[in-house]
Amino acid sequence: DVKVTQSSRYLVKRTGEKVFLECVQDMDHENMFWYRQDPGLGLRLIYFSYDVKMKEKGDIPEGYSVSREKKERFSLILESASTNQTSMYLCASNPPGPFTSGYTFGSGTRLTVV
Amino acid sequence: AQKVTQAQTEISVVEKEDVTLDCVYETRDTTYYLFWYKQPPSGELVFLIRRNSFDEQNEISGRYSWNFQKSTSSFNFTITASQVVDSAVYFCALSALPSGTYKYIFGTGTRLKVLA
Repeated sequence: DVKVTQSSRYLVKRTGEKVFLECVQDMDHENMFWYRQDPGLGLRLIYFSYDVKMKEKGDIPEGYSVSREKKERFSLILESASTNQTSMYLCASNPPGPFTSGYTFGSGTRLTVV
Repeated sequence: AQKVTQAQTEISVVEKEDVTLDCVYETRDTTYYLFWYKQPPSGELVFLIRRNSFDEQNEISGRYSWNFQKSTSSFNFTITASQVVDSAVYFCALSALPSGTYKYIFGTGTRLKVLA
């Protein structure tokens, strides 16, 4: 069964900490995405990547960075966590070609910054 | 600009009732795709359907059906004879080619509660 795996289901971090959220997919997909989900706001794109070492800003990149050193792994980094980054973070991937299929999502990481 | 509107924030129905979730989209692109995803309480979004802009045929899959109307820019989702297991948040999404990316624009979601 194909999967997108997010390393943590729940995380609690302190303000100012550097936080790493990890995402791994086993489908050999080129495209990977990080979204955050907040009540009333839906899913908003933070960053995405088309290939190894490539990254593009989404709609809300401020306060975040990403790393894609290997095709299967896409990491989201909160350089200095703040309370307004408390949210559900969702990783997704899809194969090459724009519309071959829908995203496959991970189960999400619920991050609380205190 | 591209936009997806799901005006219904939350809907509650009694089991076996039919329910329709609305989705209205905006795009100037002629080639685009529309999607519906289900997010059960476990949190993982599950792909339900993809429809391209050139195919306005309605689709039925078991108790689920989708009505795509370009004239009203809508892509509505109907669940017939709802069940408690249908309780979830449902998201509509849009993706258009000319943007050069494969990113999706999501609506804010509709929370469906099916009561036994």
